[in-house]
Amino acid sequence: ETGVTQTPRHLVMGMTNKKSLKCEQHLGHNAMYWYKQSAKKPLELMFVYSLEERVENNSVPSRFSPECPNSSHLFLHLHTLQPEDSALYLCASSLTTSEYEQYFGPGTRLTVT
Amino acid sequence: AQKVTQAQTEISVVEKEDVTLDCVYETRDTTYYLFWYKQPPSGELVFLIRRNSFDEQNEISGRYSWNFQKSTSSFNFTITASQVVDSAVYFCALNDYKLSFGAGTTVTVRA
Repeated sequence: ETGVTQTPRHLVMGMTNKKSLKCEQHLGHNAMYWYKQSAKKPLELMFVYSLEERVENNSVPSRFSPECPNSSHLFLHLHTLQPEDSALYLCASSLTTSEYEQYFGPGTRLTVT
Repeated sequence: AQKVTQAQTEISVVEKEDVTLDCVYETRDTTYYLFWYKQPPSGELVFLIRRNSFDEQNEISGRYSWNFQKSTSSFNFTITASQVVDSAVYFCALNDYKLSFGAGTTVTVRA
């Protein structure tokens, strides 16, 4: 596989469920990101990891819990979500967090019922 | 305060027309990076261009061109002779000490 992959591509979950989103990058990058994209809203940066350390957490509710076990993998653990959390969740990676462009995965379309 | 402003929410053109997307940014840093991304209906954002603050040369890549003007803090993007496949949401982004995306401009190209 090449680039940035995300699984699953679609997810429907109830408010009491626990699920995880997975992201994998095959680009040798050191930085990884989670974004939330809701309809009619700007792209929201949620978390930033650099060399497996979280360097940015943009006031995201604790029901979203990121995990970066190594520089190639990033997870977003979800629990007790709300309907307003339904959105497209995008993962991205870049060589570093500062000057380089990001490469995005195809996203996970999440629906919370 | 919004650091990246894309004033045009939606633009609709007929095929072969040119379309220019505006991007105005705000930063106090002297070193920063600007980007444009394309998000087609499939959903995956695609990187188009990166420009650092010390390089004000305009760039042309096929039908795409970019005009970077530090004096007006703008980094505008023009699609020449637009095609239906150019229909997408286009995002401008700034990375100074923090990464910021604009709200995006939806471009619809009609056949």
